[in-house]
Amino acid sequence: DQQVKQNSPSLSVQEGRISILNCDYTNSMFDYFLWYKKYPAEGPTFLISISSIKDKNEDGRFTVFLNKSAKHLSLHIVPSQPGDSAVYFCAATDNYGQNFVFGPGTRLSVLP
Amino acid sequence: EAQVTQNPRYLITVTGKKLTVTCSQNMNHEYMSWYRQDPGLGLRQIYYSMNVEVTDKGDVPEGYKVSRKEKRNFPLILESPSPNQTSLYFCASSPQGAFNEKLFFGSGTQLSVL
Repeated sequence: DQQVKQNSPSLSVQEGRISILNCDYTNSMFDYFLWYKKYPAEGPTFLISISSIKDKNEDGRFTVFLNKSAKHLSLHIVPSQPGDSAVYFCAATDNYGQNFVFGPGTRLSVLP
Repeated sequence: EAQVTQNPRYLITVTGKKLTVTCSQNMNHEYMSWYRQDPGLGLRQIYYSMNVEVTDKGDVPEGYKVSRKEKRNFPLILESPSPNQTSLYFCASSPQGAFNEKLFFGSGTQLSVL
């Protein structure tokens, strides 16, 4: 059973609008959450993270929200740009940071 | 340039023929790990290493071996590859693998086992 779920395999958004990518997790031991972006033929690159002691973290156009009681986090991209088109992976880890668990990914397409 | 380097990028082999995928990082990171990416399953951890001579199994270690004889290198060994090991493999590293450290990934190795 997957501990980190991304229930939307794909998402299409118009350029300039908001993109919202969702992620759910089941393991209450997870304390740190990350989002990675992956372009074709490249490795994943780190985008933004959030600790469980926070409920929001912002970095430019990217904001991650964490709802611990619901075991849910989301990534907001505002405004969306065509260069944001990629696969986005949600990941989680516990206090020890040894085992990063990734979701299956969501393919975002930003249409010009 | 700080990076994680994997070789080869593409590899086609036959069932049972031993192979090694190399991984090297130039950032003096203590933590290194291997992942495989399969459609609908995301990235699943195979093995990880917290430091030289310290390795541990991840979520899907069966059929794989690793070694960490020096800090910069973390090769992935398939002693007897099988078709179900056809996948996209990523090596990753982080400074200490501790809380709040992010992973840096290599560009990937696409392996096909016939």
